[in-house]
Formats: sequence, structure tokens, C-alpha cells
Amino acid sequence: DAGITQSPRHKVTETGTPVTLRCHQTENHRYMYWYRQDPGHGLRLIHYSYGVKDTDKGEVSDGYSVSRSKTEDFLLTLESATSSQTSVYFCATGGGPDTQYFGPGTRLTVL
Amino acid sequence: TQLLEQSPQFLSIQEGENLTVYCNSSSVFSSLQWYRQEPGEGPVLLVTVVTGGEVKKLKRLTFQFGDARKDSSLHITAAQPGDTGLYLCAGGYGGSQGNLIFGKGTKLSVKP
Repeated sequence: DAGITQSPRHKVTETGTPVTLRCHQTENHRYMYWYRQDPGHGLRLIHYSYGVKDTDKGEVSDGYSVSRSKTEDFLLTLESATSSQTSVYFCATGGGPDTQYFGPGTRLTVL
Repeated sequence: TQLLEQSPQFLSIQEGENLTVYCNSSSVFSSLQWYRQEPGEGPVLLVTVVTGGEVKKLKRLTFQFGDARKDSSLHITAAQPGDTGLYLCAGGYGGSQGNLIFGKGTKLSVKP
């Protein structure tokens, strides 16, 4: 268990509103990742970070932005939420290549 | 697009049976991970295999990495209801960012 928490755990919001999800880790891992998980698609990478202020896009980054101002925190922002962003969002951390540990997830519903 | 195909997608068995799930790709990976995910929770890392032909055992679970490092299997002996969950495989290329490619998973149900 890599000491990863996500907040909130559940959120219901309306189309067009901004939403920020937070991931917090206590393991001092360099790498952090945001995924979404949807039926039929599996886990898809949204954005990732390889250090403070160092981030890059993943497979499904459109409509999402991220920020990492401290090693322990990685924020995912939906600037203007849409119904297609209804999903379960997972944060993961990794201390080195090819090993990732996941948080408990955030279930987001956009009405 | 690199793909990891998992089979079967769904598996429903009785307690005590044996089963094998598969993870296949046309890509060569530097490592292969297996995760188990229970409803409402995040995936939990079970094992990482890195050497072609490698076999790792975790109690009743046996993981094998193919010789060519393109495929992997997970075998469960004498399945128990506690083994129920979604099993995910993920391939890594050993890059500096540590990105993984995930399969869509095998949903296992073990009935008492």
C-alpha cells in the first residue's frame, strides 16, 4: 500500500462546471498518474507527472489539465465538465519504471 | 496502438476449480504486471515479472511471463470466493516515465 488518498471519493456535478480532483501520496514517489476507468475501455491514462511541475499528456487528455506543485499532490481539473467525463478516476504513483500503486478512486457523475 | 488482449473477458466457476487467464500482445515488454481490483476499489498490484520465461508464485496464484516477453498467464489453483474480482494485466516498456499499457481485464466470479 503506497499511502495514496483521493478526494473527493464521490462527486455529482452539472455540465459546464469546473471540477478538481486531488491525489495525495505519502511515499515521496516521483511519478504520479491520472487514469479514468470506463466499461469496455479499461484503464486509460489521462496525464502523468515525472516530477514537481513536470507533466505530460496521456492517451485521453482532451478536456483535462493537471498540476503538481508539490511532490505529494497531483491535481486533475476538468475545466468545464461534460457528461462524457462521467467515470471513475484513479490516481497512481510509482517509485520507478513499470511499477504503479493505485488510490481508491473517485466516482464522478456529470449530469 | 499497442494493445494487451486479455482472455477470457468473463469467467464464472465453482469454488475449488482451477483456472487460467491470459494476457497477449504483439509488443515486447520489459515487464508485465498483474493487478486485482475489487468493486469500488483501486487495482492492487499482485506481481511484476521481468524476465522471459519467469514464473512467480503467490500462494495459489502462479504467474508466467512468456519466453518472448509478449504474453503472460495467471493460473489459480483451487479457486476460492475471495479470489473474485477483476484481474488486469499491464505491460511496461521500462521508459523513464514508467507508463503502462493496461488490458481490459478478466472478471472472475468464484461461487461457493
